This record gives sequence, C-alpha cells and structure tokens, in this order.
Amino acid sequence: QKEVEQNSGPLSVPEGAIASLNCTYSDRGSQSFFWYRQYSGKSPELIMSIYSNGDKEDGRFTAQLNKASQYVSLLIRDSQPSDSATYLCAVGRGSQGNLIFGKGTKLSVKP
Amino acid sequence: DVKVTQSSRYLVKRTGEKVFLECVQDMDHENMFWYRQDPGLGLRLIYFSYDVKMKEKGDIPEGYSVSREKKERFSLILESASTNQTSMYLCASSLWNSQYGYTFGSGTRLTVV
Repeated sequence: QKEVEQNSGPLSVPEGAIASLNCTYSDRGSQSFFWYRQYSGKSPELIMSIYSNGDKEDGRFTAQLNKASQYVSLLIRDSQPSDSATYLCAVGRGSQGNLIFGKGTKLSVKP
Repeated sequence: DVKVTQSSRYLVKRTGEKVFLECVQDMDHENMFWYRQDPGLGLRLIYFSYDVKMKEKGDIPEGYSVSREKKERFSLILESASTNQTSMYLCASSLWNSQYGYTFGSGTRLTVV
C-alpha cells in the first residue's frame, strides 16, 4: 500500500517566522512531488512541484526533496496570516497513474 | 485561464434521489478524477478515468457510478443518495502521466437530507 504521511497539526507559528511542513512517502519509484494549499471550504491549489533532489524556491516558498530518505518538505518564509490553510503533500510515479495524497497539515499563522 | 468547472457549488438532495455531479475541463487532459473530502479523512478517490468511456474504481466506489462520454466531461452519479454521502466532492484533471499534478475544480458541497 503506497502511503504519504503528514503530521496533521495544527502547526502554529507567529507572523514572520518560518513554517516547516514535512511529508514522507513509501513508494521508492516516486518521481514527482507536489504541495497543495487548501483554504477552509475551498479546493486544493497547486503551489509547488519538485522532481529532483535538492531545493526549489518560488518566492517565499521552498520545496525540499530527499529521495534517499523518501522525504519532502515545504518551507514558508516570512509567514503571513493569509498562509493559514491546510497543506497537502502529493506524490506520483510520473507514469500513467494517480497521485497519492497525504491527509494534510493544518497551518495557523498568528498575527 | 485553464479551468476545471463543477456545475454546482452547493447542492441539497433528499435521501433516495439520484444525483448527478458534472465536471468539465478545458485543458484537453486525459485523466479525470472524482474525490470526496471529509474532515479528518483527507481526499478519498471514488472513481477515475484515463480516457473517454474508460473508468476505474478508486478506494470508495460503493454507491457511486461515473460516465465519461466526452474527453472534457466526467460525471459522478449517486444512484440513490444517502445521508452518509453528505460531503465535499472534488473533481480534478491531469495529463496522462500526472507529471504536472492535478488541477481541481472548486468543489460541490452536497448535503443529503
């Protein structure tokens, strides 16, 4: 059974701090990795994708991938109250097949 | 702007009714998916389709069926709605290898009374 695990939270950080969200996966054949943000009552929105080991930065967001440890993370720098949401990690094989989603980590950024 | 459009944002139906949820995408994506999302349970895959007229069961297909007559449209059917099918329903689409992830529709919050 392929799995994607995330800490459900809530993760609470003060405004301006760095929020660190973590995800582990079980399928060593995974090739594509995604972070989705989901506000309460809304649908998931893709915010980051990463395909190779290392870091990928996009504005205040940095995705980190370590395939040897089967670990992917999302860092949010200078966290804002508007970043308060649930963050879903998703993993895929890059061939015809579904993404596997974690259950999400709820982030709360306190002013 | 590319889109996945779900026909209804909110829907209230009575127990035993046949319910149709429609999803249309304009990205020429091969894959389409139906999920339901409930608090604490995450996204649960109901059905998916890799091509027109093809369908595959997901993790929780019981009580549901689907139809994909055209590439851009994927319909979810609740044959006889029950109160335990009250949920947020999310449609998504992707390229054939899901290499760039899924694009989700805005969701349909279904309440069965």
